[in-house]
Amino acid sequence: SQQGEEDPQALSIQEGENATMNCSYKTSINNLQWYRQNSGRGLVHLILIRSNEREKHSGRLRVTLDTSKKSSSLLITASRAADTASYFCATDEGGANSKLTFGKGITLSVRP
Amino acid sequence: DTAVSQTPKYLVTQMGNDKSIKCEQNLGHDTMYWYKQDSKKFLKIMFSYNNKELIINETVPNRFSPKSPDKAHLNLHINSLELGDSAVYFCASSQTGLNTEAFFGQGTRLTVV
Repeated sequence: SQQGEEDPQALSIQEGENATMNCSYKTSINNLQWYRQNSGRGLVHLILIRSNEREKHSGRLRVTLDTSKKSSSLLITASRAADTASYFCATDEGGANSKLTFGKGITLSVRP
Repeated sequence: DTAVSQTPKYLVTQMGNDKSIKCEQNLGHDTMYWYKQDSKKFLKIMFSYNNKELIINETVPNRFSPKSPDKAHLNLHINSLELGDSAVYFCASSQTGLNTEAFFGQGTRLTVV
C-alpha cells in the first residue's frame, strides 16, 4: 500500500530559486529517504534521515523530519536547470522484512 | 562499472508471450528487489530477496516468478503477458541493516501489445 504522499505534485520554479517539497506518511518508520529520478532513468538516492533525527543537510539539500506529524520536507536551495527531475520520498519501517515504500513523486521543473 | 545493471532496457512483446528481465549487482549487497513503476510514476515493490531467499512477495500474480541464482542476481520471468503488465520494472539492491539506501538499475520499459 502507498505510504508517502508528496505535495505539490508538480512544481515549476526559476533557476536560482529554492524548491520545497513535502511528504507525509502513515506508519511508524525507521528512516525516510529522498530519491531523484531523471526522465527515463533509474532512481538515485539523495539523502536519508533517521527517525531520531530532525534535520539533515547534504550540499544544497536540506531535509527535515517531524515524526509527530509524520511528515518530511526536502529543500533544494539555489536550484539549477539540472535539478529538473521527479523527486520521491520513501519510508523504511525497518524490521525483518525491510522495504522502501514510495510516494507518488513530485515533478520539479527548473526554468533556465 | 555499473552498480546495478538490468537487461534489456526496452522490451516490446505481444500478449500471451513469456519474457525475462535480468538483473545483476556488483555492490556485494545481500538484498535485491523488483519494483514496478506505472504510467503515473507510482513505484510499488513486487519482490525482495535476501541471500537468495524470497522475503517479500507483494500479492503479485503468480505469472511473475523471480529467480535468484546467487545473491548478485535476481531475474524476473513473466508468463502469459497481459496489456496491464506494461510498465517500467526496476531492480534494486541494498545491504541488510538499519538505515541503508537502495541502489536502482536503469529500468526495463516493458510494452505489451
